Amino acid sequence: QSALTQPASVSGSPGQSITISCTGTSSDVGAYNYVSWYQQHPGKAPKLMIYDVTNRPSGVPNRFSGSKSGNTASLTISGLQAEDESDYYCSSQTTSSTVVFGGGTKLTVL
Amino acid sequence: QLQLQESGPGLVKPSETLSLTCSVSDGSISSSSFHWGWVRQPPGKGLEWIGSIHYSGNTYYSPSLKSRGTISVDTSKNQFSLKLISLTAADTAVYYCTREYRSASGYWGQGTLVTVSS
Repeated sequence: QSALTQPASVSGSPGQSITISCTGTSSDVGAYNYVSWYQQHPGKAPKLMIYDVTNRPSGVPNRFSGSKSGNTASLTISGLQAEDESDYYCSSQTTSSTVVFGGGTKLTVL
Repeated sequence: QLQLQESGPGLVKPSETLSLTCSVSDGSISSSSFHWGWVRQPPGKGLEWIGSIHYSGNTYYSPSLKSRGTISVDTSKNQFSLKLISLTAADTAVYYCTREYRSASGYWGQGTLVTVSS
């Protein structure tokens, strides 16, 4: 299984909105609504931000939202804040009952 | 609040076997709703899913491991384990244990750095 494709980096100014894409295939992202997004600060364990494409765990700000169209999922962060600067990873269940991650995207808040 | 804690050696020699254990506290590993997984992250690189196990014993592995990995569960100790054989420098990484629900890892251990070096 190949890693899901994410842009290496994105940036935005405080208050703006950014979107990170996550492209897979019909064997993973396109197969199920089991796409997740994680935030990882340096030296820390990843934190689940979105699961099942659109759902936010308790405590995650509603500035974070997820969507999917075909084989591509997206994470949108609105009202960008300095604390959102981090690495973001998507993941998806596959038709082989495994999980595949994206390569990661570094978000810079200008 | 569920807590996960990895334990194991920080240094392993090439060609040897890595054994890591994840201890689960404030929650039962025997819940039918969840899988228990391992994820690793080489220094400066991205996340890689290794595999997962259900308390019933059903296991799932990343094909990239090429059958080098084995995940097991010990419900009496509320622990699950990872064994990885034939280590090379490419296996150097921070290893995390996780709790998965519908492939999403909502709980993570703090991670343990494993270095493969002679």
